[in-house]
Amino acid sequence: SAVISQKPSRDICQRGTSLTIQCQVDSQVTMMFWYRQQPGQSLTLIATANQGSEATYESGFVIDKFPISRPNLTFSTLTVSNMSPEDSSIYLCSAVDNWNTEAFFGQGTRLTVV
Amino acid sequence: GENVEQHPSTLSVQEGDSAVIKCTYSDSASNYFPWYKQELGKRPQLIIDIRSNVGEKKDQRIAVTLNKTAKHFSLHITETQPEDSAVYFCAARGGSYIPTFGRGTSLIVHP
Repeated sequence: SAVISQKPSRDICQRGTSLTIQCQVDSQVTMMFWYRQQPGQSLTLIATANQGSEATYESGFVIDKFPISRPNLTFSTLTVSNMSPEDSSIYLCSAVDNWNTEAFFGQGTRLTVV
Repeated sequence: GENVEQHPSTLSVQEGDSAVIKCTYSDSASNYFPWYKQELGKRPQLIIDIRSNVGEKKDQRIAVTLNKTAKHFSLHITETQPEDSAVYFCAARGGSYIPTFGRGTSLIVHP
């Protein structure tokens, strides 16, 4: 399966600022996703990143807070906007490289908002 | 949408014992069921998966069973070792190709 490089691996940010997380896959993939994982918790889907169009957001997540880009089939970004301490979490990029295979993950971004 | 329930949330076993983690799903259209292992501070990684046309699959000490009628599937780990300690997630995926994850099971293997 393909390999995902996600960066930054961690960051400490001031409240009110924004952070953009990048996800680069080493081959073209069919679907890309962004997840949030609180410590000790499961994976909560934020949105599906659609190539060339607006992302599809899950309930409770909105574009103004989590703008997502996917300019091509190998790259996506997630921005966490106007951050508050409640946004402190691990953010994971995921991808499926064709319709019949498993999802694989980036190494995650551990975000702390102070 | 799909709903995946996973039990138990924590499982503590002695080295050499077997461990079983169970999941149920709600959407009868789901046809692919992967299991992921996440070690502390690391990304989830696929350890085994099963498709709806198969009832059981085995890979060395790990096996997965699927009962489509009852909509449940299970992960079995035999001869557990301390390095098996991790959080395990089940998932179900159907026509949307978006996996729905269970809440995770923290497996602790005591030496």
